[in-house]
Amino acid sequence: AQSVTQPDIHITVSEGASLELRCNYSYGATPYLFWYVQSPGQGLQLLLKYFSGDTLVQGIKGFEAEFKRSQSSFNLRKPSVHWSDAAEYFCAVGYFSGGGADGLTFGKGTHLIIQP
Amino acid sequence: DAGITQSPRYKITETGRQVTLMCHQTWSHSYMFWYRQDLGHGLRLIYYSAAADITDKGEVPDGYVVSRSKTENFPLTLESATRSQTSVYFCASIRLAPHGQFFGPGTRLTVL
Repeated sequence: AQSVTQPDIHITVSEGASLELRCNYSYGATPYLFWYVQSPGQGLQLLLKYFSGDTLVQGIKGFEAEFKRSQSSFNLRKPSVHWSDAAEYFCAVGYFSGGGADGLTFGKGTHLIIQP
Repeated sequence: DAGITQSPRYKITETGRQVTLMCHQTWSHSYMFWYRQDLGHGLRLIYYSAAADITDKGEVPDGYVVSRSKTENFPLTLESATRSQTSVYFCASIRLAPHGQFFGPGTRLTVL
């Protein structure tokens, strides 16, 4: 069965500093990979996704992520965080073979705290 | 407006009662999903549906029932609510080409 690990439950970063959130997955097939952000009391917003091609993907709000097949990782990065980036971040994997879709498997999330 | 709507947005019920959470999408996407979100667990898939009248279990289906008589609606029923079902429930749909996954705003359910 597929699984997603976000090893950091909480991360604290100073405003203006760089950020990297880690995500590792265990999946039998070629995965579709996603990063979502959730602000308190809000729904999920897609930051970026990777299906194939260039392993460095750009997303919204200045985020990027790099797919490394050899490490089964899809880490999220941002060069300079803003106080508004404080939120919960979820990594997710999915499998959409042949047009089918059996849902996403989510990591447990990383809570990002921004220090002034 | 186009999108996914969920109702109610907030619900408080008592143990043993039946509760139905509604999900409606305006795009006619074939695939729809129900997830629950709990602290320390992220989101977990409850049920999903590939089309009208086709449903399948996800990771945590026990205690839940779904139906899909129309493509645009995917209600989730808790037949006899338990405190462990207190959670935030998200409905989602998928557009296959070009790919896109869309989440509803969530329903916060409290079972007393």
